[in-house]
Amino acid sequence: EAGVAQSPRYKIIEKRQSVAFWCNPISGHATLYWYQQILGQGPKLLIQFQNNGVVDDSQLPKDRFSAERLKGVDSTLKIQPAKLEDSAVYLCASRDPGTFDEQYFGPGTRLTVT
Amino acid sequence: EDQVTQSPEALRLQEGESSSLNCSYTVSGLRGLFWYRQDPGKGPEFLFTLYSAGEEKEKERLKATLTKKESFLHITAPKPEDSATYLCAVQRNQGGKLIFGQGTELSVKP
Repeated sequence: EAGVAQSPRYKIIEKRQSVAFWCNPISGHATLYWYQQILGQGPKLLIQFQNNGVVDDSQLPKDRFSAERLKGVDSTLKIQPAKLEDSAVYLCASRDPGTFDEQYFGPGTRLTVT
Repeated sequence: EDQVTQSPEALRLQEGESSSLNCSYTVSGLRGLFWYRQDPGKGPEFLFTLYSAGEEKEKERLKATLTKKESFLHITAPKPEDSATYLCAVQRNQGGKLIFGQGTELSVKP
């Protein structure tokens, strides 16, 4: 079974520029999560989707971050404009709500904002 | 406020030297406690889920236990390939977000 795919793996941008990350979850997983992991910290949830709908976006900085999940499969996370403090690894995870509770993570996208 | 604290922040062991990692948590209504392993440059890899106090789960050299206030990850006779950051997380409702601790960085020297 293929795992969660993310791209790009690395991205370097200047502050005030925009950037987008892509995630393809495990086939059949209806629940998708985006987490932000700052160096030396544990991941923190940004947004959770159930199929096309948003379940939890309470910690998403909505003035600069946006996310969508068209057709209930792939998802895109965008930052516009980026700030220095956005430098982090952005992790996508997915879960099959019909089975167990564990979330399966992709390899992440490492973003550096200069 | 929900909080997860892991200790120690870093642990260095000799190969074969058993030890334990601690995860203390404060959460209103625990549904589950999760342990993940994270290698450098990779996403977290699922290890265990514990749901109730007294529950134990094992996988190879790892055993996770749960009480009402904390969880322990016991590593028996570790090998260098067990070197990684171990993350603990709590969940309040089914399918909900995971609230992570800061992790324990384990290094096992041959």
